[in-house]
Amino acid sequence: EVQLVESGGGLVHPGGSLRLSCAASEFTFSSYAMNWVRQAPGKGLEWVAAISGDGGSTYYADSVKGRFTISRDNSKNTLYLQMNSLRGEDTAVYYCGKDIVVVVAATVDSWGQGTLVTVSS
Amino acid sequence: DIQMTQSPSSLSASVGDRVTITCQASQDISNFLNWYQQKPGKAPKLLIYDASYLETGVPTRFSGSGSGTDFTFTISSLQPEDIATYYCQQYDNLPLTFGGGTKVEMK
Repeated sequence: EVQLVESGGGLVHPGGSLRLSCAASEFTFSSYAMNWVRQAPGKGLEWVAAISGDGGSTYYADSVKGRFTISRDNSKNTLYLQMNSLRGEDTAVYYCGKDIVVVVAATVDSWGQGTLVTVSS
Repeated sequence: DIQMTQSPSSLSASVGDRVTITCQASQDISNFLNWYQQKPGKAPKLLIYDASYLETGVPTRFSGSGSGTDFTFTISSLQPEDIATYYCQQYDNLPLTFGGGTKVEMK
């Protein structure tokens, strides 16, 4: 069974930075694109970013473009989200999700348990 | 960006009831639509992909239909474990966008 475990969330001040990680196991990590999706408290789902299986293609929501960077280390089976210039509206649970194919198709068939990021002074 | 309008935002139904949720896209997305279930405090779970295909292991009481701009998600006979929020999501174009969600409660 696919396992995705996020870490790195926490409390950060506005303008600060945080790096999230997602450790993957029980599947061939490099064969699948990966996504980050977030959910603000009591709100719906918002796609944040995606990366192809080889890491060569990345895509971002306008709300995070220029501030967040998605990356992956296929040798470590780990997905990352570097978040800079954080704002209050970035407060959310961040989920990593496995795509169904190596290119970004954006059907997430497996999800991590999520990690909470709180941006507050 | 493609806007996904989901309705109703919430509903209350009894065990055994047929439940229907609709999702409308702001432009033609062919059949590039997924349905997810999210229980409180849990990650979403993929139920339906490509508008009408049931994900492996998902009970057959769940179904999806539609193409173009209008889609429907149905639970044929509501069970207590189906209490959750359901989201549609388009993947025709980036950015991916989700509907606002439908919270299904037990009457």
